[in-house]
Amino acid sequence: GESVGLHLPTLSVQEGDNSIINCAYSNSASDYFIWYKQESGKGPQFIIDIRSNMDKRQGQRVTVLLNKTVKHLSLQIAATQPGDSAVYFCAEDQMTTDSWGKLQFGAGTQVVVTP
Amino acid sequence: NAGVTQTPKFQVLKTGQSMTLQCAQDMNHNSMYWYRQDPGMGLRLIYYSASEGTTDKGEVPNGYNVSRLNKREFSLRLESAAPSQTSVYFCASSGASGGAETQYFGPGTRLLVL
Repeated sequence: GESVGLHLPTLSVQEGDNSIINCAYSNSASDYFIWYKQESGKGPQFIIDIRSNMDKRQGQRVTVLLNKTVKHLSLQIAATQPGDSAVYFCAEDQMTTDSWGKLQFGAGTQVVVTP
Repeated sequence: NAGVTQTPKFQVLKTGQSMTLQCAQDMNHNSMYWYRQDPGMGLRLIYYSASEGTTDKGEVPNGYNVSRLNKREFSLRLESAAPSQTSVYFCASSGASGGAETQYFGPGTRLLVL
């Protein structure tokens, strides 16, 4: 079946640098994408979302880019801080009747921020 | 505003025992979800409830049952626990009742089945 996956399982970033986390999706019908952050022992926390009619969306220190041509999603974190260390998941929603509410999650990327 | 709460936080069961995981949200959301998360994997949907009074199967429903008790509460029941059900269980809710919407997650229940 269709799936969402991540290019890199672990990303090591120096404090203050920018981080880029990548996500490939295979279902061109997907209309809505979300990035979640999960700290150890906690539930996923919403970071930012984007709909398929956009190619870029910015939040506080985060930017999500969507390239529908190559079915690629990325999360950019500016000036990475120690508190950004976590596992980051991308998720997609196909927004069809059969798939309603069924977010498909990638396996996650572990981001480690080093001093 | 507590968001999504789950009880218990931890549980150890023996094979064949039953238990119910509780979930409540105070955001007046219509939709609620149960996921499981296994090591090194993303979340997989077990069951969801689009609105009060409705429930539907997700990707991995076998071995589980759910009850949408009211708009706030959505419980997950394991009738006869198996070691394969050892996992971390997350409840989530969203405002949508028929469309994509951000899902907000609880802190999780860590379940070990011996």
